[in-house]
Amino acid sequence: GQNIDQPTEMTATEGAIVQINCTYQTSGFNGLFWYQQHAGEAPTFLSYNVLDGLEEKGRFSSFLSRSKGYSYLLLKELQMKDSASYLCAAMDSNYQLIWGAGTKLIIKP
Amino acid sequence: GAVVSQHPSWVICKSGTSVKIECRSLDFQATTMFWYRQFPKQSLMLMATSNEGSKATYEQGVEKDKFLINHASLTLSTLTVTSAHPEDSSFYICSAKTSGDHNEQFFGPGTRLTVL
Repeated sequence: GQNIDQPTEMTATEGAIVQINCTYQTSGFNGLFWYQQHAGEAPTFLSYNVLDGLEEKGRFSSFLSRSKGYSYLLLKELQMKDSASYLCAAMDSNYQLIWGAGTKLIIKP
Repeated sequence: GAVVSQHPSWVICKSGTSVKIECRSLDFQATTMFWYRQFPKQSLMLMATSNEGSKATYEQGVEKDKFLINHASLTLSTLTVTSAHPEDSSFYICSAKTSGDHNEQFFGPGTRLTVL
């Protein structure tokens, strides 16, 4: 079956760095997406990886290892506004997104 | 970037009534639109996938006669919740996909439905 695993909740301190891990099992693979979702709002796109390696975009970076079925989202210089849920989603061979349950990130001052 | 709108943003209705939610891609043509439902503290649940001009493909467990989807054009899809009941209260989100390089889905702002 198809499955996405990510931690339910993480806590970090303002100004620090946090890494949110995601493992996936899908029928075929057409890329790994990370989305940010604030409470009561729709998800917003953060990153897309289809090749192995690290993609850096400002304070946020995303890493993919296809052989391990593993990705992580790295957030640097955390700000209070980064408090949100972070959703990992893998695209299968039918170009359908398989969603994780999301990781709720709590930022403390 | 690509913009997707949804209307209404929130709706309260009586049990037994029908509610229509519109999803529009404002500055691009969406080859495919997706409808999701999200209950509190849970992840997105795909309800159906619709391609312009063809019937929607529903996920297992989603009643196609209850959740009517019409994808009449490349910029508009509608979801009608028929004979709504309190258990249908949820956050409904649409997304639209182009045939771009990485098949990114652009999400609408969501519609919060409360059925009394």
